[in-house]
Amino acid sequence: ETGVTQSPTHLIKTRGQQVTLRCSSQSGHNTVSWYQQALGQGPQFIFQYYREEENGRGNFPPRFSGLQFPNYSSELNVNALELDDSALYLCASSSLGGQNIQYFGAGTRLSVL
Amino acid sequence: AQRVTQPEKLLSVFKGAPVELKCNYSYSGSPELFWYVQYSRQRLQLLLRHISRESIKGFTADLNKGETSFHLKKPFAQEEDSAMYYCALSRIQGAQKLVFGQGTRLTINP
Repeated sequence: ETGVTQSPTHLIKTRGQQVTLRCSSQSGHNTVSWYQQALGQGPQFIFQYYREEENGRGNFPPRFSGLQFPNYSSELNVNALELDDSALYLCASSSLGGQNIQYFGAGTRLSVL
Repeated sequence: AQRVTQPEKLLSVFKGAPVELKCNYSYSGSPELFWYVQYSRQRLQLLLRHISRESIKGFTADLNKGETSFHLKKPFAQEEDSAMYYCALSRIQGAQKLVFGQGTRLTINP
């Protein structure tokens, strides 16, 4: 059973650019959630995808968007990057309707200069 | 509003001493409560959830609805317990949006 994998591990962008982060869910899971973790803070929910549709969203602007693919992998896209977007981005997969336990990836560290 | 508060950012205890990491929450309804742990250079992982009512690595946590608390306890700390601990909540069914506290860094001194 493979775990949740995220790519890339680190990324450096400049203000105004766009970025795409990727996540492969754990085998057997149908749901992917994305979280932003700023330095010294707990993770903050961005949104969740289930069966390729957004299934809940946190308090993030529309420039944060996502996709889920038929194989349940997912992308997080952020447009018009701002300095405050610098953070660790975590992906978690789970099985909606199952045990509902979220399993986390190692994260992508995004730095916006 | 949904909120999780972990009042201690840092907690340091000696090996063999009891440990209690505090967690208070606010939620309208009946939430599910979790403790997640992150050991050095490892990913965030579930330690325990209140629904399971089990002890993991000697840790227990009891949901107190009257005090809206879910404190994590261990009677005798071990050095390998040093880690970052996050309390989190979600609603019991449906889209499981986890709301995290800011975390407590636990250090066990030899």
